[in-house]
Amino acid sequence: GAVVSQHPSWVICKSGTSVKIECRSLDFQATTMFWYRQFPKQSLMLMATSNEGSKATYEQGVEKDKFLINHASLTLSTLTVTSAHPEDSSFYICSARQGIPEAFFGQGTRLTVV
Amino acid sequence: AQSVTQLGSHVSVSEGALVLLRCNYSSSVPPYLFWYVQYPNQGLQLLLKYTSAATLVKGINGFEAEFKKSETSFHLTKPSAHMSDAAEYFCAVSLNTGFQKLVFGTGTRLLVSP
Repeated sequence: GAVVSQHPSWVICKSGTSVKIECRSLDFQATTMFWYRQFPKQSLMLMATSNEGSKATYEQGVEKDKFLINHASLTLSTLTVTSAHPEDSSFYICSARQGIPEAFFGQGTRLTVV
Repeated sequence: AQSVTQLGSHVSVSEGALVLLRCNYSSSVPPYLFWYVQYPNQGLQLLLKYTSAATLVKGINGFEAEFKKSETSFHLTKPSAHMSDAAEYFCAVSLNTGFQKLVFGTGTRLLVSP
């Protein structure tokens, strides 16, 4: 089956620093990737949609300058949380799709900003 | 815009009992519908999907769901619960056009007691 790998699984960073999270589709080419944020015991909130080689489309209320998304190739998308603050602490999940209805999800990244 | 309602944030069953997780959707056009399962601190795994073929969809781990257009429902069932089924379950809807963004329900936590 389709495998999406997300790295790192968890990260702790100091307030004010930037953190990069990678999302890779290992056995298929992902034309579209999605980034979600999940708060404890809550559902997934879509942050942005990215297509290879084009700018990401952000959902309303998501700060583009804080959450930088780069979909550099058909197998890699990155999310960079810039100038992270404690309120950015969350579980971030990516998913990828290759022109079929279902999306495949990474294992998630637990970000803690101290 | 499409949306999903999952009735019941928690469902408790005994091992061996029937599992029924409810999902109702709203969509202006024929939707794609999905059920995903999430274990603690992990990403989402696809259980099953409806993409306008058979209305009764069988998925992994013995789960199935029936698409009922008249009731705008897509409830998830399993005849006999196992302890390993304890997890968070998300129903999701997407349109069959555009980016096909997934819109998730709020999730239902399934608790299985011995």
